[in-house]
Amino acid sequence: AQTVTQSQPEMSVQEAETVTLSCTYDTSESDYYLFWYKQPPSRQMILVIRQEAYKQQNATENRFSVNFQKAAKSFSLKISDSQLGDAAMYFCAYLEETSGSRLTFGEGTQLTVNP
Amino acid sequence: NAGVMQNPRHLVRRRGQEARLRCSPMKGHSHVYWYRQLPEEGLKFMVYLQKENIIDESGMPKERFSAEFPKEGPSILRIQQVVRGDSAAYFCASSLLAGYSYNEQFFGPGTRLTVL
Repeated sequence: AQTVTQSQPEMSVQEAETVTLSCTYDTSESDYYLFWYKQPPSRQMILVIRQEAYKQQNATENRFSVNFQKAAKSFSLKISDSQLGDAAMYFCAYLEETSGSRLTFGEGTQLTVNP
Repeated sequence: NAGVMQNPRHLVRRRGQEARLRCSPMKGHSHVYWYRQLPEEGLKFMVYLQKENIIDESGMPKERFSAEFPKEGPSILRIQQVVRGDSAAYFCASSLLAGYSYNEQFFGPGTRLTVL
């Protein structure tokens, strides 16, 4: 079974600085997708960024970028120029290409942004 | 285009009562997924449905839980004889397609169930 591990229950960053959230996963599949979701206090799940496993290029979305290391099964999220609105719980998630149904989530990292 | 809608947003039940959670997918979406988030944990997959069919219920507890997605109307997650351990946030997501090509799952705002 696939598992997703986030080893940092909490992280903090100063406003305008950069922070990296870690995620590792375990799978025997070669085709899959990886995601970072943001869950603010409203609890709404918001997709931040997505990475296809077959793509070697790391995904970027404005201030958000990932470092995808397929061999190491590592998928970290870098947030540049952190803003107060980035404060939230961040979840790493995995989706298998062939099943296309269930998302497997990590336990989450609570990010605090200090002014 | 309205997003995924869930109601109620908050539901309080006493032990032994039934809880019904509703999910209306985004317009045009025919695939619905239910996830449960226990306090201080990540989301856990429960069930995946298409119209009138349960495709994958491997994450559903064997007893007291059931789900449906009828031809007309919202998807319903039903919990019979609730216990305190059922207290959690229940999220619904929908997608346009599923299977061998990726299709983003769009999440609703969740229903927070509290069992007294």
